[in-house]
Amino acid sequence: GAVVSQHPSWVICKSGTSVKIECRSLDFQATTMFWYRQFPKQSLMLMATSNEGSKATYEQGVEKDKFLINHASLTLSTLTVTSAHPEDSSFYICSAQGLAGLRAKNIQYFGAGTRLSVL
Amino acid sequence: DQQVKQNSPSLSVQEGRISILNCDYTNSMFDYFLWYKKYPAEGPTFLISISSIKDKNEDGRFTVFLNKSAKHLSLHIVPSQPGDSAVYFCAASPGTGKSTFGDGTTLTVKP
Repeated sequence: GAVVSQHPSWVICKSGTSVKIECRSLDFQATTMFWYRQFPKQSLMLMATSNEGSKATYEQGVEKDKFLINHASLTLSTLTVTSAHPEDSSFYICSAQGLAGLRAKNIQYFGAGTRLSVL
Repeated sequence: DQQVKQNSPSLSVQEGRISILNCDYTNSMFDYFLWYKKYPAEGPTFLISISSIKDKNEDGRFTVFLNKSAKHLSLHIVPSQPGDSAVYFCAASPGTGKSTFGDGTTLTVKP
């Protein structure tokens, strides 16, 4: 149980184009989803928190207009990198949380990540 | 100010021996602590957790110890296996669901 699917796993795009990454909770309802970015040999940097049906909460320093997050249903959140540039190249990871019980509330179930390469 | 710190970037142990990964935190509002394991090019997977009302939680070869007065937790893996080689992240939550992650410790278990 608690499977999170993230697609695509790898994307290469030209500078200036937009890329959409999907994150789906397959067997549970995710009230909250998180989006992280990881640079090589570094930790997970939280970009934003999204709750179903409401606007995402972005961390300080993350551009809202560049990284568009939509959490339209309890099983799907999307991250769109708009007008991508080479400096946006990174590993993007989503995670999802359910509700039932304290343990479940705090555990995050992660997708496999998306490697974005902007040429 | 980093609220969750894993001071050892890497750890190498021999197969069969104990691996001890450490984590320190500064925020006294944290009341739930988690360990995640991550392989290269994959997302982290949940390993084990502990609530602040406990000082120890065990799951098979994995045990997490919490010392609230010292704001310190550790993950013990006994016996260590080559398949345990991965990056281990410590995370702490104030009960809101949002966790703060440490920088990770790369564990290498040598056969």
